[in-house]
Amino acid sequence: SQQGEEDPQALSIQEGENATMNCSYKTSINNLQWYRQNSGRGLVHLILIRSNEREKHSGRLRVTLDTSKKSSSLLITASRAADTASYFCATKVMEGNTPLVFGKGTRLSVIA
Amino acid sequence: GAVVSQHPSWVICKSGTSVKIECRSLDFQATTMFWYRQFPKQSLMLMATSNEGSKATYEQGVEKDKFLINHASLTLSTLTVTSAHPEDSSFYICSASSAGEYNEQFFGPGTRLTVL
Repeated sequence: SQQGEEDPQALSIQEGENATMNCSYKTSINNLQWYRQNSGRGLVHLILIRSNEREKHSGRLRVTLDTSKKSSSLLITASRAADTASYFCATKVMEGNTPLVFGKGTRLSVIA
Repeated sequence: GAVVSQHPSWVICKSGTSVKIECRSLDFQATTMFWYRQFPKQSLMLMATSNEGSKATYEQGVEKDKFLINHASLTLSTLTVTSAHPEDSSFYICSASSAGEYNEQFFGPGTRLTVL
């Protein structure tokens, strides 16, 4: 079953613009992670935010987490054509060796 | 981060044959491995969780007799798609998790299975 819903499902922007993707989930979580996947390729881990954290940065990426609303957002600033990919949020419900549960993903297209 | 490999990276087989996909943790011991399936333009769906030395736990709707999972060692898990059919064509991704404080999951590069 899927835990998260990404919004929007698809997003098309011009190079240099910011891209914001949102993720909502249903149950309490231990942490939430964002991944990128280029077409037909494997997953690239972008960032992990723990349930007691509200915001995290990594380069051009900014992730927020609102546990009261069960939602997270991923902001990519100054987007580049190379950012074109699908982006997934994934939640870890509890500590221990429990699996990540993925959302449906957002397909981002950055037009040069 | 830790490295997880999958073999083969792609495979084409005839309907009715069985296909084995290997997932290896190269530089750490994986107490738990997870198998996901991804259809085109869709997200990853968890198929099963396997712990070393014990039987895999399958998600609802996943046929355990069709998708055989073996996790015989701390560095290797295999997924065998038995009597494959065209609808089994998909991207199969494994991930490995070690024991420890954060139990971080590391993903393999995936195996694309095409059943003719």
